[in-house]
Amino acid sequence: QSVLTQPPSVSGAPGQRVTISCTGSSSNIGASYGVHWYQQLPGTAPKLLIFADTSRPSGVPDRFSASKSGTSASLAITGLQPEDEADYYCQSYDIGLSGPSFGTGTKVSVL
Amino acid sequence: QVELVESGGGVVQSGRSLRLSCAASGFNFRSYGMHWVRQAPGKGLEWVAGISYDGNNKFYGDSVKGRFTISRDNSRYTVYVEMNNLRAEDTAVYHCAKSRDYIGLREAFDMWGQGTVVTVSS
Repeated sequence: QSVLTQPPSVSGAPGQRVTISCTGSSSNIGASYGVHWYQQLPGTAPKLLIFADTSRPSGVPDRFSASKSGTSASLAITGLQPEDEADYYCQSYDIGLSGPSFGTGTKVSVL
Repeated sequence: QVELVESGGGVVQSGRSLRLSCAASGFNFRSYGMHWVRQAPGKGLEWVAGISYDGNNKFYGDSVKGRFTISRDNSRYTVYVEMNNLRAEDTAVYHCAKSRDYIGLREAFDMWGQGTVVTVSS
């Protein structure tokens, strides 16, 4: 059971901007624990996109950005490209679970 | 080459046991927490277990607590998960993942293996 809720799918045309929300509670995001984001291309392992709310690892394009406010976080993809078609997951620590929890996942489609 | 390579998956009957291994290379394995994350067919990611850099602290998700045991051998750069009393709902791809810090419960996982498939048949 996930304590972080994401929309099942979002879509956009090439070049557009899309955002993915990650809704938590006072037991995770709202408790100021860091939010991390992963991209999972079809048939591959997840890849870290964003860590500690807003930081990008080296090699991740600046088209990917993230923010956090209150008990929610969001990932934005600007200049959407066909290769961005993938599943995206948020992650944060949850006090009740005493461990990390992943969001429900969002499939991004490029129209 | 910086990588994590899992092994040990397979088809096993319900109630039996299986041990997965994850061999690390290309980074200072002894300094980082390591974790197992699974993904059931067509489903999302689920954190399974984690272990601190020195092996002294171990953490488990509620669905596997009491059945799975995580361990590591820093001399072999390898992390393991012993899975007992397996159930059909344990069927998944099991990935090992490296934490960005020495424990990693609150930190991101910055390296992932490709995973090994575990199928539990009833």
